[in-house]
Amino acid sequence: AQSVAQPEDQVNVAEGNPLTVKCTYSVSGNPYLFWYVQYPNRGLQFLLKYITGDNLVKGSYGFEAEFNKSQTSFHLKKPSALVSDSALYFCAATGNAGNMLTFGGGTRLMVKP
Amino acid sequence: ETGVTQTPRHLVMGMTNKKSLKCEQHLGHNAMYWYKQSAKKPLELMFVYSLEERVENNSVPSRFSPECPNSSHLFLHLHTLQPEDSALYLCASSQGQGHNYGYTFGSGTRLTVV
Repeated sequence: AQSVAQPEDQVNVAEGNPLTVKCTYSVSGNPYLFWYVQYPNRGLQFLLKYITGDNLVKGSYGFEAEFNKSQTSFHLKKPSALVSDSALYFCAATGNAGNMLTFGGGTRLMVKP
Repeated sequence: ETGVTQTPRHLVMGMTNKKSLKCEQHLGHNAMYWYKQSAKKPLELMFVYSLEERVENNSVPSRFSPECPNSSHLFLHLHTLQPEDSALYLCASSQGQGHNYGYTFGSGTRLTVV
């Protein structure tokens, strides 16, 4: 069975500092990996994805994620956090066996001025 | 706008009421999903429709009844709900299993059961 783990319920970072939101996954076959962001009372918005190619994926709003096959991780990063980045972040994954996406439990990012 | 529209945005209903949530997508997707998101809980997959056929039902109580009349529309019919059913209900769609482009989500319906 597929699984996605986001080990931190909440990440706190000061504005201007780099941020990392962690994600590890377990799927069969080659992984398809996604990050979504959710603002209050809104749906999930696509940030970025890894399908194949370069391990460093760049996405919306200055976010990027690094695919690490040996560690089965896909951590979300941003060099300089903004207060407006404060939101709930979800990692999702599936394998090439044709399964649906499996979502992690979400990580709340709090960026303080 | 993401291309997935959910109505209403907010709904307050009594435990004896019957109401329906609506989801509409014009992205040409052939799979649609209902998720429940409660406070401090992860996303809970409720129902999946692929090519208008239900392919997954994750042990959801019978007071929730989905309907997918065509590939663009998905409904969630609600009756005799409980206060613990209060949550944000999210609809999503995808092309196939969502490998290449992921899912597109609507903004959700905030449901309060009183």
